Amino acid sequence: DVKVTQSSRYLVKRTGEKVFLECVQDMDHENMFWYRQDPGLGLRLIYFSYDVKMKEKGDIPEGYSVSREKKERFSLILESASTNQTSMYLCASSSNPGRAYHEQYFGPGTRLTVT
Amino acid sequence: GIQVEQSPPDLILQEGANSTLRCNFSDSVNNLQWFHQNPWGQLINLFYIPSGTKQNGRLSATTVATERYSLLYISSSQTTDSGVYFCAAHQHQGGKLIFGQGTELSVKP
Repeated sequence: DVKVTQSSRYLVKRTGEKVFLECVQDMDHENMFWYRQDPGLGLRLIYFSYDVKMKEKGDIPEGYSVSREKKERFSLILESASTNQTSMYLCASSSNPGRAYHEQYFGPGTRLTVT
Repeated sequence: GIQVEQSPPDLILQEGANSTLRCNFSDSVNNLQWFHQNPWGQLINLFYIPSGTKQNGRLSATTVATERYSLLYISSSQTTDSGVYFCAAHQHQGGKLIFGQGTELSVKP
């Protein structure tokens, strides 16, 4: 079974703090994704990566950065957390044979509150 | 980009009833997934179904790609089926997964 894990289920941070959200997958997947989920807005893609050290912006990259130094790990960084980044953050991974995008598997999510 | 619409937005069922959830998409897609979001927020994969019909226990799904819709059937519903059901389509350009707004299902004992 595919397993995607996230470093924290719940996180509370203060405005202006630098925040790291970590995601690890154990299936040797090439693609990894970060989404946020907000009531009324659904799931929105922040960033994704199709290979180590590669990244591409999703729909709402502002205020975020990412790091992919190893294939199994994809980190989302909030450089200076703000209250409007309070949200549920979901990580996902998928295989990528021939650059086709296959079934995505999600981690348990991190509920981040910025006060 | 493509639009993904789900219906109904909310559904209340008595335990044991059957239901059909619908997902329409506005353009051709590479693939389609159905998820169940549990009360703790995790998205659980139900089906990965570009076309045709698949079954898994009491759940089954059908995608008719040429007509741009997919259906999720839940038979003999149980209280543990409660939660939000999402469909998501992989669009051709870039392979991004586009989510519908979800159907919130509540199964009463």
